[in-house]
Amino acid sequence: AQTVTQSQPEMSVQEAETVTLSCTYDTSESNYYLFWYKQPPSRQMILVIRQEAYKQQNATENRFSVNFQKAAKSFSLKISDSQLGDTAMYFCAFMKRPGANSKLTFGKGITLSVRP
Amino acid sequence: GAVVSQHPSWVICKSGTSVKIECRSLDFQATTMFWYRQFPKQSLMLMATSNEGSKATYEQGVEKDKFLINHASLTLSTLTVTSAHPEDSSFYICSATGTDYPYEQYFGPGTRLTVT
Repeated sequence: AQTVTQSQPEMSVQEAETVTLSCTYDTSESNYYLFWYKQPPSRQMILVIRQEAYKQQNATENRFSVNFQKAAKSFSLKISDSQLGDTAMYFCAFMKRPGANSKLTFGKGITLSVRP
Repeated sequence: GAVVSQHPSWVICKSGTSVKIECRSLDFQATTMFWYRQFPKQSLMLMATSNEGSKATYEQGVEKDKFLINHASLTLSTLTVTSAHPEDSSFYICSATGTDYPYEQYFGPGTRLTVT
């Protein structure tokens, strides 16, 4: 079974600064996807970024980028130029063998607060 | 594109009654839908996987007779909480998977259920 660990329950960052959220996972799979989801106070789940395990290049989406270390099973999210709208709960998630029935395994999440 | 709706967004019911929550994919066909439960400040817990025209597959520990899932069409899945009790009060989220690679899960806005 896959496990996803987010060991930091809360973090705080000053507006315009950079913050890194940590995530580790455990799997015996070789083909899998990793995700970061954002859940703002509205509670709507929003996909932030996706990383395919077979790709060595780290995924980036505007101010969001990941540091994917496959051997270490680490998948951290870096948010640059933090904005007040980044205040949310962030979940790291794992999916093996992408398919229609593929399930997401979520970490416990981290609450990020961006201070003005 | 890829919008998922849930109805109602908020419902209060009395203990012992049943309540139905609808999940619709508005602009795509979803062969698979997932139902999650989320308590405040916690992660999403997968309850069941729903496939159109088939019986739902429930996760271990989820009472299938209490949480009835029907996936009647490619755009609609329903979750019925039967004989609801206060401990069933929670936030319920559905997601729908697209039919093509990379089979991204699109999340609904969630339904807050309060049982009095």
